[in-house]
Order: sequence, then structure tokens, then C-alpha cells
Amino acid sequence: DTGVSQNPRHKITKRGQNVTFRCDPISEHNRLYWYRQTLGQGPEFLTYFQNEAQLEKSRLLSDRFSAERPKGSFSTLEIQRTEQGDSAMYLCASSITSGGAVEQFFGPGTRLTVL
Amino acid sequence: DAKTTQPPSMDCAEGRAANLPCNHSTISGNEYVYWYRQIHSQGPQYIIHGLKNNETNEMASLIITEDRKSSTLILPHATLRDTAVYYCIVRALNTGTASKLTFGTGTRLQVTL
Repeated sequence: DTGVSQNPRHKITKRGQNVTFRCDPISEHNRLYWYRQTLGQGPEFLTYFQNEAQLEKSRLLSDRFSAERPKGSFSTLEIQRTEQGDSAMYLCASSITSGGAVEQFFGPGTRLTVL
Repeated sequence: DAKTTQPPSMDCAEGRAANLPCNHSTISGNEYVYWYRQIHSQGPQYIIHGLKNNETNEMASLIITEDRKSSTLILPHATLRDTAVYYCIVRALNTGTASKLTFGTGTRLQVTL
């Protein structure tokens, strides 16, 4: 399967714990995006990388959130001191860079439940 | 990015065409219309996009009005597997900070027997 993969698919944690999610984009894609989706809502943009550079961060990305893409390939999203409000689906997407309109390919997501 | 308005839900009989409308009255000249769908418990899936002209691919057709203030996604022969939430997104060209997708709440399409 050459699509975007995310691990783990599900994570249950207790409030106050740290969690880390991983995203592996499509291999030739140099852009990688993180989104968050709560029940009944559309995905909300969190941040994106072009290669290893983090080029934009949403105001939704509080100080407890950090994302990295150290070698321009896979990315990790860490949430420190989780809160119940962090419970959501965390989606990763990737795309190529082009001067025109290109599509983003999404992974299956990681569903986080904070107890 | 321009804001979009979609009906919250629609029904369609299997085998019939599903026509999903979207209003984007504030769209700018350099903004494309994208459609994605999200089947339950999966990540969003790209369907189609267009700028001014009507577009067709193996999944759907996209009809954009001449003034570009609205569009319609057409699934010509809906099947039960097309049951999903469909998102209409308006987005500038894929440059710099204009790369993110801004999703609304979409249209929940229910295809029935």
C-alpha cells in the first residue's frame, strides 16, 4: 500500500499523559499536513511542512502541541499533558509541490480518546 | 479562502444521479473549487476540482456556474458506497501559506436502496 499511513490508529490515554502520533506520507510528497477533526465537524488545519520546514501553524496548535518532520519524510505530532478536549481524530495528509492546484492525500487518522 | 455553504444532508436512491450543491459567492479569481468526501471512520478522499470550466473524471462531474458563485457535484449513478459526507472547499493556488484546506461541515449524503 503506497498511501499515507498513520500509527497508531487508536489511542486511549489518561488526562495529563503525553502522546505521540506518527504519519508516513506518500514517498515522493514533500508537503505534509496535520488536521484535527472532532465529532460532527469537518477537519481543522493544524500545521504543515514543506520538506523538514514547518511553514504554517494554526492558532489551534497550543503550546502543548509540537510537530516535527526531521528528515523531510515521516512526521510526528506530540501532545503533552493531554486534556479531555484533545479527544479527536488526528489526520495527516501529504501532497507534492506544484505551481498549480494539487490534491492532498489523507491517511486513515489516529483517534485519540482522553479519559 | 472563500466561505462555502452546503445543505447539511441529502438523500439519493441507488442508481440515480446525486447532485450536491455548493454556494461560494465570495470566491476570488484565483481560487479553485475542490470536492472531497469522507466515508465514515476514514480520512477525506479527493474527488475533483475546477477553476472555471466544468470538469469530469471517473468519480464525478463538477459544474461551475459562469459567475463562479456556485457549483454542483454530480455523482452520475450513486451506489451505497457513495454514502459519505461531501465537502466543498474553495482554495487559492497551491503556493506558500495558501496550502491548507478549510473544511466546513459538508453535506451528509445518504444513498438508499
